[in-house]
Amino acid sequence: DAKTTQPPSMDCAEGRAANLPCNHSTISGNEYVYWYRQIHSQGPQYIIHGLKNNETNEMASLIITEDRKSSTLILPHATLRDTAVYYCIARSVVGGTSYGKLTFGQGTILTVHP
Amino acid sequence: KAGVTQTPRYLIKTRGQQVTLSCSPISGHRSVSWYQQTPGQGLQFLFEYFSETQRNKGNFPGRFSGRQFSNSRSEMNVSTLELGDSALYLCASSSWGDGEQFFGPGTRLTVL
Repeated sequence: DAKTTQPPSMDCAEGRAANLPCNHSTISGNEYVYWYRQIHSQGPQYIIHGLKNNETNEMASLIITEDRKSSTLILPHATLRDTAVYYCIARSVVGGTSYGKLTFGQGTILTVHP
Repeated sequence: KAGVTQTPRYLIKTRGQQVTLSCSPISGHRSVSWYQQTPGQGLQFLFEYFSETQRNKGNFPGRFSGRQFSNSRSEMNVSTLELGDSALYLCASSSWGDGEQFFGPGTRLTVL
């Protein structure tokens, strides 16, 4: 799986949009971009994933650049409960060594302030 | 639908002992993965089981093993515990192992 690079920490004011960047310059054509978050001492929670088109669900939006070398997770109206570590993961879904495996980096600690 | 459950939630053991952790996946999910989380190494993949077979494996010593039962429930075992095995052990389930994974709350293991 391709390596991803994220800023170690970010701050955001409550009610504002939180934009979390991720660099995955070596991503291959069969690798999806997944985002998970982990609130303190809980199991990671799936947020969203995409291949090359922008994606939106009830939690967030995912914007992937046309060259697929980077992406941005957008939480449109951040709340205090969004304070967590956010992980960007590039993951092949071809099978083999990717089965059941997520390769987590250090992630971004997002702190939402009142 | 009930989520992924892990038992026990907390465990204290001493060096040299062995431990068995249990994971019950979401109903209908056949893939169960295990992860170790420590402050120094972060979240690391241990192994994945699908239909009672280990299908994928991370870079951990043979002291770490697992199995999966016909009802998809999984156990992982760590033998000859070391201080460095103190960690949060997480399991995750998915339908086939290639999509979204759902994580349990984890088992906090402390080795004294």
